[in-house]
Amino acid sequence: GQQLNQSPQSMFIQEGEDVSMNCTSSSIFNTWLWYKQDPGEGPVLLIALYKAGELTSNGRLTAQFGITRKDSFLNISASIPSDVGIYFCAGQLVQGKLIFGQGTELSVKP
Amino acid sequence: DAGVTQSPTHLIKTRGQHVTLRCSPISGHKSVSWYQQVLGQGPQFIFQYYEKEERGRGNFPDRFSARQFPNYSSELNVNALLLGDSALYLCASSLSQSEYEQYFGPGTRLTVT
Repeated sequence: GQQLNQSPQSMFIQEGEDVSMNCTSSSIFNTWLWYKQDPGEGPVLLIALYKAGELTSNGRLTAQFGITRKDSFLNISASIPSDVGIYFCAGQLVQGKLIFGQGTELSVKP
Repeated sequence: DAGVTQSPTHLIKTRGQHVTLRCSPISGHKSVSWYQQVLGQGPQFIFQYYEKEERGRGNFPDRFSARQFPNYSSELNVNALLLGDSALYLCASSLSQSEYEQYFGPGTRLTVT
């Protein structure tokens, strides 16, 4: 089945640093979504991308839909302690079915 | 506006038992999807329901079933529970079947002993 490879698996950064994570797939996706999940909670939608090459921002977050439609990246600028959590990429191939990456666990040192 | 709600929050069951999990979508959303999230992994798609009909199914055994009600709420049923069914079960709602943005509830933590 389809798989998303998300990297890195974990990151330990200093407050104020920029962060970059990415997702790659062997399949072409129609939509890429980025979610953040805090412990014991459901994923929260951060950014949705619909077109190849699209670059979208949401505050300090910026995400891009790769031109090949097989990859996407998420950048977080000037990280703060509340950015701590697990970030998931998700691709949509078939309506209603999201394929998730394994997650990137972000830790921010004050 | 209320987000996606799920009940119960936590559940402990014994192997072989049956469980029913419930989900209420965001008001105005007509599509509900169910996901299973095992510790340390991303969510795995189980079902999508739209207008009370199953529109998609993931690679899960027939022990897993679901339904959607006229008010668009949904139930996930799992029969003959196995230890491996222990997971966080997430419900996500979207405006329609073709709407890509899915919004997740807090999940139900199921522990099978």
